[in-house]
Amino acid sequence: AAGVIQSPRHLIKEKRETATLKCYPIPRHDTVYWYQQGPGQDPQFLISFYEKMQSDKGSIPDRFSAQQFSDYHSELNMSSLELGDSALYFCASSLEEPGNSLGEQYFGPGTRLTVT
Amino acid sequence: QKEVEQDPGPLSVPEGAIVSLNCTYSNSAFQYFMWYRQYSRKGPELLMYTYSSGNKEDGRFTAQVDKSSKYISLFIRDSQPSDSATYLCAMSAIGGSNYKLTFGKGTLLTVNP
Repeated sequence: AAGVIQSPRHLIKEKRETATLKCYPIPRHDTVYWYQQGPGQDPQFLISFYEKMQSDKGSIPDRFSAQQFSDYHSELNMSSLELGDSALYFCASSLEEPGNSLGEQYFGPGTRLTVT
Repeated sequence: QKEVEQDPGPLSVPEGAIVSLNCTYSNSAFQYFMWYRQYSRKGPELLMYTYSSGNKEDGRFTAQVDKSSKYISLFIRDSQPSDSATYLCAMSAIGGSNYKLTFGKGTLLTVNP
């Protein structure tokens, strides 16, 4: 079965540079979530999109922005990178019916971002 | 205090043992409860998904939810070395568009042959 695809898998950037992470959800899934997992930490919710509209926002820095496109893929844009942004960034997708039952969230393999 | 508390372990058991993993939570709005398995440097893999209180069984895995105690458990029977991973509990509230997952810190499990 098709899974969530993330690219790139590894990314090395210097401080103050920008980075763009991409996520391709499971076909027919309409919701995308972004999570950040620091070393030895649990995943922390950043932002989510349902049907190309932002649906929820967590502890995402103002330096980060994201969007979901017409084909449902999503991109997380990170500017003015800091050393503390080094982490695994996961995308998850689900098929949601807001107000009804929760769709199961399936995670991608993650993008490992290293800021030097 | 974190919304979801999980003992990080590490937990080491012999092959064939029954493993019990637990989480407690403080947010009474949580209605959906999940267990994910994460191998090193990989994405979390959904193992079990339950709604509200009760038990759910899937092969060697059993998930239990006790909402009155705000306590969830995952039991692994006949544990195998391939079960060695970090197990994360995750929860979500219901309603509107708020389906973000709140995770526990994860328990590192090692099953020794």
